[in-house]
Amino acid sequence: GAVVSQHPSWVICKSGTSVKIECRSLDFQATTMFWYRQFPKQSLMLMATSNEGSKATYEQGVEKDKFLINHASLTLSTLTVTSAHPEDSSFYICSTRRYLNTEAFFGQGTRLTVV
Amino acid sequence: GIQVEQSPPDLILQEGANSTLRCNFSDSVNNLQWFHQNPWGQLINLFYIPSGTKQNGRLSATTVATERYSLLYISSSQTTDSGVYFCAVEGGGGSNYKLTFGKGTLLTVNP
Repeated sequence: GAVVSQHPSWVICKSGTSVKIECRSLDFQATTMFWYRQFPKQSLMLMATSNEGSKATYEQGVEKDKFLINHASLTLSTLTVTSAHPEDSSFYICSTRRYLNTEAFFGQGTRLTVV
Repeated sequence: GIQVEQSPPDLILQEGANSTLRCNFSDSVNNLQWFHQNPWGQLINLFYIPSGTKQNGRLSATTVATERYSLLYISSSQTTDSGVYFCAVEGGGGSNYKLTFGKGTLLTVNP
C-alpha cells in the first residue's frame, strides 16, 4: 500500500490565488520531507527540505516567500504556492523516508495549472 | 554537487526484447535508487541499490560503486514497462540526504 499520500492529485487555480498541497506519511513518523518540482519532459528538481518543528531549507533559486512549507506534525507537510502565476504551473511531488540513508518513497504528485 | 547521467535518453523496443539502462554518477554515493514514472506521474520504487545486485521478476539492477555506475536490466519487456526510468543518487559526505535525479530514460515498448 501507499507509504506517502499527497493531495490533491491535480488542481486548477486562477492567477493570484494560493494553493495548498498536502503530503502525509502513512506508515511512519517523518521528521524530514522533501518537495520536488518537475516540468514536462524533464527531471525532478529538489525545491526544499521540510523539517518537523523548524524552518524549511530551500534550494538555491527557490523563493521561500512564494513556496511556503509547513511541517507542523511528524506525519504532515504542506506546500503552499502563494499568489500563483502561470509560470508556477508544474508537477509537484513530495518524498520521505523512514530513516535517512534508506529508501525514499514518493507521493502521487500534484499537477498544478494556473490560468 | 553530484552529477548523474543516464543513457540512453530514449529507447524503443518491441515487446519481448531485453534492454539495459545505465546510470553514471560523479562521486561516491550513500544511496542509489531506480524509479519508474508511470503516465500519471507516480514514481514507482524499483530498486534501492547503493551497491551490489538485486533482482525482482523481470527486472534486475547492479551498482558498481567503486566505478560509479549502475545498470538496470529489463528482460522480456512488456508494453506496460513503457514510461520514464529515473536513477537518483544521494551523494556521500555532506549531501544532507538529498536525492539528485538523472534526466531519465524514456522507454517505449511497442506491441
